[in-house]
Amino acid sequence: QKEVEQDPGPLSVPEGAIVSLNCTYSNSAFQYFMWYRQYSRKGPELLMYTYSSGNKEDGRFTAQVDKSSKYISLFIRDSQPSDSATYLCAMSATSGGGADGLTFGKGTHLIIQP
Amino acid sequence: AAGVIQSPRHLIKEKRETATLKCYPIPRHDTVYWYQQGPGQDPQFLISFYEKMQSDKGSIPDRFSAQQFSDYHSELNMSSLELGDSALYFCASSLRDRDGYTFGSGTRLTVV
Repeated sequence: QKEVEQDPGPLSVPEGAIVSLNCTYSNSAFQYFMWYRQYSRKGPELLMYTYSSGNKEDGRFTAQVDKSSKYISLFIRDSQPSDSATYLCAMSATSGGGADGLTFGKGTHLIIQP
Repeated sequence: AAGVIQSPRHLIKEKRETATLKCYPIPRHDTVYWYQQGPGQDPQFLISFYEKMQSDKGSIPDRFSAQQFSDYHSELNMSSLELGDSALYFCASSLRDRDGYTFGSGTRLTVV
C-alpha cells in the first residue's frame, strides 16, 4: 500500500461548483502538507502549504488537515474551466523533505465543464 | 517573479548515452531538489542539495549523479541511459524551513 492514497479520477464537475479533493496517508510522521496543481507537460505549481492540523484559506482555495484521521482535503470554490488540471497532494515529515523528499499522491485529474 | 529554470526542455538520447540536465534555482533559495516523474506517475524524489552540499538521497540510481555549483545552479548527470529513464525530470528549489518548494517546468527526457 502506498503511503499516500489519492483517487486519480477523472473528476468532472460543472463550472461554478465546489470541488473537494482528498488524500489519505498512513505515515503518522508527516507534519507538512501541500497541494500542487499540474497542467499537462508543466511542473507542479504550489497552491497551498500547511503545517500540522487545521484549515488554511487562500482566495478560492481552502486546505484542511485532519491528522487524527490522516486525511487532507483541498476545496475549490467557484470552480473555473482554467482550474482543469491534475491536483497532487504532497507531504513530508520535515520541512526540507528529508531522505524521502516529498511523498506525493498519484494526483486527481480534475475537469471543469464550461 | 523569477522562477526555477531548467534546460533543456526536451532531450532525446539513445540507450547507453549520457545526458546532463541543468537547473537554475530561484535567487536566494538555498536548497535544490531533483524529482523524476514517469508517465502517469507521481514525482519521485531523487536527490537534494543544501548550500551546495548533498543533503538527502532518494531513489536515485547509481548511474545518476548530481552536484550543485558555487552559483547555486545544479546539474543532474545520467549515464548508461536505459529506456526506463524516459521521464519528466523536475528541479525544485526552496528556502530551508520555509513554505514549500517551487518546481521548474521540467526536462522531458526520451531514451530511444
